[in-house]
Amino acid sequence: DAGVTQSPTHLIKTRGQHVTLRCSPISGHKSVSWYQQVLGQGPQFIFQYYEKEERGRGNFPDRFSARQFPNYSSELNVNALLLGDSALYLCASSGRATTSAFFGQGTRLTVV
Amino acid sequence: QKEVEQDPGPLSVPEGAIVSLNCTYSNSAFQYFMWYRQYSRKGPELLMYTYSSGNKEDGRFTAQVDKSSKYISLFIRDSQPSDSATYLCAMSEASGSRLTFGEGTQLTVNP
Repeated sequence: DAGVTQSPTHLIKTRGQHVTLRCSPISGHKSVSWYQQVLGQGPQFIFQYYEKEERGRGNFPDRFSARQFPNYSSELNVNALLLGDSALYLCASSGRATTSAFFGQGTRLTVV
Repeated sequence: QKEVEQDPGPLSVPEGAIVSLNCTYSNSAFQYFMWYRQYSRKGPELLMYTYSSGNKEDGRFTAQVDKSSKYISLFIRDSQPSDSATYLCAMSEASGSRLTFGEGTQLTVNP
């Protein structure tokens, strides 16, 4: 079975640009969460979606937005990129039968 | 003050040693406790999951939760060089809800 898949794996953007990151959850999982991990720190919660509805939002500016599609895949969008947005962006999925989150390999975003 | 505190290390031990990793937390609403292993430039991999207080063992790994002290631990027995990674503790208030992570402890096991 495929795990959580994220695309792209690496991305370089210029300050002020917009970026879209994509995530496909484990088959059967209906919840998707996004985390930002800055180098040397633990992941920080950004958003959680369940059944296409937002279930939680972390302490991130409105430049960050996300959505979940009918097939439970998800997109994370970041507008007006700042140098400080450079990080590993992680997607995690969980299902009703599980109480744990399973992470993808992440998208490494570099803003120059 | 951070909700979850974890000593970032780095921690370096010889092969075969017993490793103890710890986290403390301040939010008494946390009910679910996890340990993740993260290799360099990879996503976190779930190692152990525990609900409420108690111990859980899986092979060379043992997780302990003491809710009265707001303290969790991960023990690794007979450590191997392949255990070299960053270990992250994580917690949540409800099943499947947002995770709050510690900073991560970087572990190196020397052959």
